[in-house]
This record gives sequence, structure tokens and C-alpha cells, in this order.
Amino acid sequence: AQSVTQLGSHVSVSEGALVLLRCNYSSSVPPYLFWYVQYPNQGLQLLLKYTSAATLVKGINGFEAEFKKSETSFHLTKPSAHMSDAAEYFCAVSADNAGGTSYGKLTFGQGTILTVHP
Amino acid sequence: EPEVTQTPSHQVTQMGQEVILRCVPISNHLYFYWYRQILGQKVEFLVSFYNNEISEKSEIFDDQFSVERPDGSNFTLKIRSTKLEDSAMYFCASRSNEPQHFGDGTRLSIL
Repeated sequence: AQSVTQLGSHVSVSEGALVLLRCNYSSSVPPYLFWYVQYPNQGLQLLLKYTSAATLVKGINGFEAEFKKSETSFHLTKPSAHMSDAAEYFCAVSADNAGGTSYGKLTFGQGTILTVHP
Repeated sequence: EPEVTQTPSHQVTQMGQEVILRCVPISNHLYFYWYRQILGQKVEFLVSFYNNEISEKSEIFDDQFSVERPDGSNFTLKIRSTKLEDSAMYFCASRSNEPQHFGDGTRLSIL
């Protein structure tokens, strides 16, 4: 079984400030972890992924995330927020790895709406 | 870059009617998925499809739901007798290796 918890349904930052979106996961097997972004009336766009290689993962638009097994966390950060970062962000976990039987289904967190103020 | 495409973008249907949501996955992908997102809630897994059969389905995916890959390119989700609570955004996704690539979704409104 797998689950994802995103702490904070809404996060508000000023333009230029640090963005930190929190994600904790639970998985019975070593997980693959993802961050997706959803702009209004659009689909889910992949920001970055962790698939058991480097624990610090860099993604698009200046975002990065660090996999911390001891804390079961995969928090998303960006050093300096831009107005165009305003969107909803979803953390997701997949347990489809060697020996897994889930065929890669994603389990999503509840989402965090990021607001960026001028 | 190849994309997953979904049609229609918005579907309005009377309760009790059948509806078919269509998806064209990326051409060399082997795994296919449907998810739904009820307004204000998180994205939920419905079903995965591999090697021309359902590989996994959630509790949501009851007998009212079915999926098909009729012609090797399209991937459809059928809801036989729609209920008000089926109103949601439905996303199709596909992959070969990770990650899954998502379409822009079909907004289904049941009246």
C-alpha cells in the first residue's frame, strides 16, 4: 500500500522568496516519487521525478526536490518564486519497480495551491 | 514532443446516459491509465491497462466502468449509466518507462 501526504493545502509566498512545498510518503517497497504541476483548466505536467538514482533531483522551471528515506519525505523547493509559478502542485508515489505488481499506478497527495504575491 | 490527447475537452450528459471518453496515448507507450479528479479533491486512480487487458483497478472502477483499446491507437473509458457523482475531470495517461504523461483531461458534467 502507498500513500502521500502534502502538508498545507495553500502556500503563499512573495515573488523572489523561497518556495517550499512539503510531501511525505508511505510505501511498502522502495518508491518512485514525482511532482506534477497543474495550471487552471490544464492537465498534469511533470516537474521532476525520483527513480532511485540521485537523491537530489532537479526539474523544470528551477524546481528541485530531495528524497530523504529516513524522513520519508520528498519536499519541493525553488530558491526564488516567480509569478508564473502560481498553480496547484501534486506529489505522487508509484510502487512499480522490480518485483512490484502495481503496474505503475500513481497515488497522489491532496495538492498544494501555490499563490505568488508581487 | 509527443502528447497524450483527450477528446472531448468538455462533455455534458444527462444522468443515466452512457458516455465514452476518448484518449490517444503516445504511440510507443505500453501502459495506459485513467484517473479522475472531482472538483476540489485529489487525483484518484481508476484503472491501468497493459497488454490489452486491465492490470489493476480501484474500488471506484465498478461494473459501470469499462475500458477498451479498440484499434491500437485509441484508449477509451466508458461509463454505462452515469450518476451525478461521476461529474469530474477525467485524465488519461500513458508511459513506456517512468514517468506517466497526462492528457489535458475531459471535464464530465452530469445533469
